[in-house]
Amino acid sequence: ETGVTQSPTHLIKTRGQQVTLRCSSQSGHNTVSWYQQALGQGPQFIFQYYREEENGRGNFPPRFSGLQFPNYSSELNVNALELDDSALYLCASSLSWGQGANTEAFFGQGTRLTVV
Amino acid sequence: QKEVEQDPGPLSVPEGAIVSLNCTYSNSAFQYFMWYRQYSRKGPELLMYTYSSGNKEDGRFTAQVDKSSKYISLFIRDSQPSDSATYLCAMRDSGGYNKLIFGAGTRLAVHP
Repeated sequence: ETGVTQSPTHLIKTRGQQVTLRCSSQSGHNTVSWYQQALGQGPQFIFQYYREEENGRGNFPPRFSGLQFPNYSSELNVNALELDDSALYLCASSLSWGQGANTEAFFGQGTRLTVV
Repeated sequence: QKEVEQDPGPLSVPEGAIVSLNCTYSNSAFQYFMWYRQYSRKGPELLMYTYSSGNKEDGRFTAQVDKSSKYISLFIRDSQPSDSATYLCAMRDSGGYNKLIFGAGTRLAVHP
């Protein structure tokens, strides 16, 4: 077990709705990243939060947003859900980031989102 | 062209075989290289973490990085049915933020 927990494990939403996914990072880790994994694909980086601020973003539209809290837990919010948003959403925590930082990212079990 | 290429398989081997999994990449800035194992409907589990070129061994697993060829490998010795999973390679550069670029994953089946 990595110590990274995500909730809920499964979720079904209707197109156009909004969803919030949650992540508790491993103890001592201050950096949280979110990834989207479509069926049969590798995870795709959505964004990263460090000390409650977004400090890196992948090629995802603004309707994907997030928060990080003082205890380093995090939320991923997706507005105006589309069918293509159906995927496994993964949260990863790490100790830090930055040039030369030798950090390892540990993943939670994921939230499987189905948009119908 | 994708930044990281990985043969999706599936790869089927008998128990006890040596398994070789590979990825190629195009971004010469990548410095950190990882292998993750992902069981069905689970999150990726970190297996190996390597910085720059060279070999790293951990039990039955050996990771190799050849930066001159932009090629990384994971070898599994004495493969077991419990090794049946999808293996994902991932990599990142040393700057910016902790953004991992993943391959598509190789499905491995080890049969008794």
